[in-house]
Amino acid sequence: EPEVTQTPSHQVTQMGQEVILRCVPISNHLYFYWYRQILGQKVEFLVSFYNNEISEKSEIFDDQFSVERPDGSNFTLKIRSTKLEDSAMYFCASSVFESQNGYTFGSGTRLTVV
Amino acid sequence: GENVEQHPSTLSVQEGDSAVIKCTYSDSASNYFPWYKQELGKRPQLIIDIRSNVGEKKDQRIAVTLNKTAKHFSLHITETQPEDSAVYFCAASIDYKLSFGAGTTVTVRA
Repeated sequence: EPEVTQTPSHQVTQMGQEVILRCVPISNHLYFYWYRQILGQKVEFLVSFYNNEISEKSEIFDDQFSVERPDGSNFTLKIRSTKLEDSAMYFCASSVFESQNGYTFGSGTRLTVV
Repeated sequence: GENVEQHPSTLSVQEGDSAVIKCTYSDSASNYFPWYKQELGKRPQLIIDIRSNVGEKKDQRIAVTLNKTAKHFSLHITETQPEDSAVYFCAASIDYKLSFGAGTTVTVRA
């Protein structure tokens, strides 16, 4: 069964540093998403991406965040200047169509900001 | 935006008994309601979903019901087994954005 893959699985970074989280969506999927989950809390929507542009973003997705699909396969989330409160599990997801058929989530990247 | 409330936050059941988790949503335009199971440190995995034009859906020991008028939907797990122990999240969707509930930690006692 096709999978969404994410790298790295765990990233530790110092506050103020930039991080890039990488995702390889399922190859025939057209919609891409980032969600985050702070430890012990619910999964929260960050951003959706379609046709090489952001479709929608949440209040969490401020100017410190950006996404891009640099080479047609990878889908990246960049946090420009990390804060302690950015520590969370970040999940990438993709879908063929809009979410009506359910997402396939990646295995996640645990980001720890120290 | 959409607000999804989920209850209970924790649920302990005896193996073989049923478990029921309930969610309510605020936006009547939501039209897709998936349920995810998440084991510790792992990704959320879709276990069942329902669309707004359907009132009930069943897949083996798992069933979901939807009441559009009342804006609530429920997950039913029958004949629970130890491997059903996990955190379960409901979600509601308009277009492509999922809004999740806060999760229910289900513990199945042997």
